[in-house]
Amino acid sequence: KQEVTQIPAALSVPEGENLVLNCSFTDSAIYNLQWFRQDPGKGLTSLLLIQSSQREQTSGRLNASLDKSSGRSTLYIAASQPGDSATYLCAVRARSGGSNYKLTFGKGTLLTVNP
Amino acid sequence: EAGVAQSPRYKIIEKRQSVAFWCNPISGHATLYWYQQILGQGPKLLIQFQNNGVVDDSQLPKDRFSAERLKGVDSTLKIQPAKLEDSAVYLCASSLSTSGSIAKTQYFGPGTRLLVL
Repeated sequence: KQEVTQIPAALSVPEGENLVLNCSFTDSAIYNLQWFRQDPGKGLTSLLLIQSSQREQTSGRLNASLDKSSGRSTLYIAASQPGDSATYLCAVRARSGGSNYKLTFGKGTLLTVNP
Repeated sequence: EAGVAQSPRYKIIEKRQSVAFWCNPISGHATLYWYQQILGQGPKLLIQFQNNGVVDDSQLPKDRFSAERLKGVDSTLKIQPAKLEDSAVYLCASSLSTSGSIAKTQYFGPGTRLLVL
């Protein structure tokens, strides 16, 4: 059974700091890995998706890396801003039977960026 | 393009009552998902539909939870009777398809926040 762990559970940083969020998964037979952002009272917004054959993806100030063999991913946020404050969720997509795929989520990291 | 719509946004009920949630996916999306997110946890898949057929309901507590997607478009999730531990956010998501070699990204609705007293 796939398990996804995110460390730390919560993080508070001053504005402008670079930071790293960590995600690990127990079964390396994944199709892809996705990082989401969740704001209070809202749904999930996809930030970055890394295919299993890729090593990293970048979007603006965000960079996500994937080391499939070791079961690890990191989300790097450069020059953090108060608007980055949210919960960041890591999810892995793997085959769940036949041609179907299933997302398994971690518990998330609650990020607070202080002005 | 309109996103995934869910209603109601909030619901408060007493234990043993019944409740229903509604979801309208993005137009053209064949796959629809219902997730349960308990406070402090990541979302957990309850049920997945491909058009109007169930693909995965292995984590759905079938003694009290039911879901349908009769016409392959919108969907309802029902809880009857509700328990205290059902208090959570219920998220609906949709994607173009999960069939074949391409697993499409999921788009999430705002969720329905349920409190069972």
